[in-house]
Amino acid sequence: EDQVTQSPEALRLQEGESSSLNCSYTVSGLRGLFWYRQDPGKGPEFLFTLYSAGEEKEKERLKATLTKKESFLHITAPKPEDSATYLCAVQAVGGSYIPTFGRGTSLIVHP
Amino acid sequence: KAGVTQTPRYLIKTRGQQVTLSCSPISGHRSVSWYQQTPGQGLQFLFEYFSETQRNKGNFPGRFSGRQFSNSRSEMNVSTLELGDSALYLCASSLLGGYQETQYFGPGTRLLVL
Repeated sequence: EDQVTQSPEALRLQEGESSSLNCSYTVSGLRGLFWYRQDPGKGPEFLFTLYSAGEEKEKERLKATLTKKESFLHITAPKPEDSATYLCAVQAVGGSYIPTFGRGTSLIVHP
Repeated sequence: KAGVTQTPRYLIKTRGQQVTLSCSPISGHRSVSWYQQTPGQGLQFLFEYFSETQRNKGNFPGRFSGRQFSNSRSEMNVSTLELGDSALYLCASSLLGGYQETQYFGPGTRLLVL
């Protein structure tokens, strides 16, 4: 069974304090890994898709990287507006293309 | 391009009632998926529709059903509501549904069952 585990569950940072969120996955083979951002009471907002180990993508203060077993979402010099829950989802080879989601990491950035 | 829209945004029902939620996908998108999100279980897949046919189904009881219309708009229905059905119901659309396609989510419908 495909599994996606995100850590930590919650993270508190000071503004400007860089950190990383982790998404580890157990799948027979990876088709794609997706990162979303979700603000309270809203739907997830798409951030990145990664397809193969070694791939990296960046958007403003966010950078997503992918290895064969995990993905990291690096947040550089975060601002309070980066506060949100970050969700990771994977599509596996051989199974349904419906993505399996992790529980998310709740990030709070204090000014 | 307009995003995924969901109506209503908030709903309060009592146990035993039924509810219908609506989702309009991004223009041109033909695959619509529904998810239930709760603090305890996270995002759980309900079902996916494509060309008016249910193509994938999650592990939910038969009280949860859905349909899709010829214009790709979708509805989901929950009959005989239970307290545990209180959740954020999310709709996501993608072009055709498939590997490496990105799903785009709507704002969700917050359902409270009393």
